[in-house]
Amino acid sequence: KQEVTQIPAALSVPEGENLVLNCSFTDSAIYNLQWFRQDPGKGLTSLLLIQSSQREQTSGRLNASLDKSSGRSTLYIAASQPGDSATYLCAVGSGGGADGLTFGKGTHLIIQP
Amino acid sequence: SQTIHQWPATLVQPVGSPLSLECTVEGTSNPNLYWYRQAAGRGLQLLFYSVGIGQISSEVPQNLSASRPQDRQFILSSKKLLLSDSGFYLCAWSSQGGQPQHFGDGTRLSIL
Repeated sequence: KQEVTQIPAALSVPEGENLVLNCSFTDSAIYNLQWFRQDPGKGLTSLLLIQSSQREQTSGRLNASLDKSSGRSTLYIAASQPGDSATYLCAVGSGGGADGLTFGKGTHLIIQP
Repeated sequence: SQTIHQWPATLVQPVGSPLSLECTVEGTSNPNLYWYRQAAGRGLQLLFYSVGIGQISSEVPQNLSASRPQDRQFILSSKKLLLSDSGFYLCAWSSQGGQPQHFGDGTRLSIL
């Protein structure tokens, strides 16, 4: 059974810092990996999707990497801003791609102005 | 563009009452559809997924059921709610082949 772990559980940093969020998974036979953002009381916003054959994806100040063999992914946020404050979730897709995602419990991020 | 709608946004129900949550997707055809639950202090858990009309896969044994009566409609139901059914319920869709999943705004369900 796939298990996804995110470290740290919470992080508070001053505005402008570059930061890294970590995600690990136990079964390397994944189909893809997706990073989401969740604001309090809201649904999930998809940030980046990495297919199992890819090493990284970039969108603006966000960069996600994938090392499937070691079961790890990182989300890099450059030049953090107060608006980046949210919970960041890592989720792994397995099976043929139609199966649901297995989620970590998230990293609660606070960017101090 | 594609959009996903969930309703209601919040719901307060007594123990033992029935439940029906609805999710619809617009702007796409033959999507994969998913129901997740986010309970307090726990991560998001997949409850059901569907790859087509009438095709439902259940991930965990529970007090809930799902149905897909139309291509872009996914319904989560219960005949008798338990206190443990409280949580934040999220519907999601993806195109065929494991493309990104897109989530609705969720329904917060409180059981009294």
